[in-house]
Amino acid sequence: QVQLVQSGAEVKKPGSSVKVSCKASGDTLGRYLIYWVRETPGQGLEWMGGVIPIFDTPNYAQKFQGRVTISTDESKTTAYLELKSLRSEDTAVYFCATGSDRGGEADNWGQGTLVTISS
Amino acid sequence: DIQMTQSPSTQPAVVGDRVTITCRASQSIGSWLAWYQKKPGKAPKLLIYKASSLESGVPSRFSGSGSGTEFTLTISSLQPDDFATYYCQQYNSYSATFGQGTKVEIK
Repeated sequence: QVQLVQSGAEVKKPGSSVKVSCKASGDTLGRYLIYWVRETPGQGLEWMGGVIPIFDTPNYAQKFQGRVTISTDESKTTAYLELKSLRSEDTAVYFCATGSDRGGEADNWGQGTLVTISS
Repeated sequence: DIQMTQSPSTQPAVVGDRVTITCRASQSIGSWLAWYQKKPGKAPKLLIYKASSLESGVPSRFSGSGSGTEFTLTISSLQPDDFATYYCQQYNSYSATFGQGTKVEIK
């Protein structure tokens, strides 16, 4: 099974952007469904979007449309989540995950990346 | 987006209790429903997929049922390690939505 390792914690100012990475080892991400999910104290778990890199057509939750970009690198070993126009409510732990071959439920997760928005 | 509504939001319980959590979808999702366990500082852990299939390595005291719009997660005899927050999730055509979570806490 592919192992997912995420980038480290970030502190950002309101209005700026953040880019979180999710690096795969043991396999490439090309054939996997990749989820990005965040956890906030007020909202619990929120699905932000997903992509299958070989198809390269991301799908985003309505709530984040226009602010979020999910992408992968050329080698399909690293996935990225970029979130723009950050506000205090975006303070959260961001997780990447891969969907199973059985139907897409997230059965393999990164360790999470804390993003803090503070002026 | 499909909306998922869980109840209750908090479930006080003691070890040995039978615990039931309900999840309702705003439209039919067939059996494309998963249940996760979330503990502080840890990534979510998949318990159940396709509404009623037990993920490998998950204790058999966990079970799921339902289809269409109504789903249930049952813990047959609560163990100390089971105090956590539980989330349902619909997943369909690489779109997904989580319920708001149910915290199982010590009574």
